[in-house]
Amino acid sequence: KAGVTQTPRYLIKTRGQQVTLSCSPISGHRSVSWYQQTPGQGLQFLFEYFSETQRNKGNFPGRFSGRQFSNSRSEMNVSTLELGDSALYLCASSLGQANYNEQFFGPGTRLTVL
Amino acid sequence: AQSVTQLGSHVSVSEGALVLLRCNYSSSVPPYLFWYVQYPNQGLQLLLKYTTGATLVKGINGFEAEFKKSETSFHLTKPSAHMSDAAEYFCAVSSGAQKLVFGQGTRLTINP
Repeated sequence: KAGVTQTPRYLIKTRGQQVTLSCSPISGHRSVSWYQQTPGQGLQFLFEYFSETQRNKGNFPGRFSGRQFSNSRSEMNVSTLELGDSALYLCASSLGQANYNEQFFGPGTRLTVL
Repeated sequence: AQSVTQLGSHVSVSEGALVLLRCNYSSSVPPYLFWYVQYPNQGLQLLLKYTTGATLVKGINGFEAEFKKSETSFHLTKPSAHMSDAAEYFCAVSSGAQKLVFGQGTRLTINP
């Protein structure tokens, strides 16, 4: 079974631009969660989508948004990029139907904002 | 609210020595607890998890952890360190939703 894939793996943008990151979950998984990893703040939960609906949300500004498609693929968008948005963005997929299902992580997209 | 504290941002041990990475959690509900490992330029890989039942949990690569409710701890151990264990380790807690709260991570170095 193929793992979680994220594209692109690396991205360089300038301040003020917007960016879209993509995540393809493991086949059969309906939940996709996104995390931001930075040296200063560590790993922080952004949001989770299940069956095309946002089910959980972390404490990030509205510049961070996401969506999920009917095939469970998910995209994350960051508008008006700031230097502090430079980070490794990880997505994780799970079945999402029990109290807790194991989350499987992708390799991440490393975003650099100049 | 839930939180995780990992004691020691950097742990160094000799090859063949005991590995002990400490994790304490705070949770208002019965927690689900996890240890993940991250190698450079890679995502997170689950080492082991505690959901319910046996408090001593065995994971991959010879790691194990014990859930101690009275101490709110979930420390990770491995009897004998191997060079390939060098990586960053993250303890995480969940209340049951698909949302993990992570500790700050512990970088493990193995000395030959």
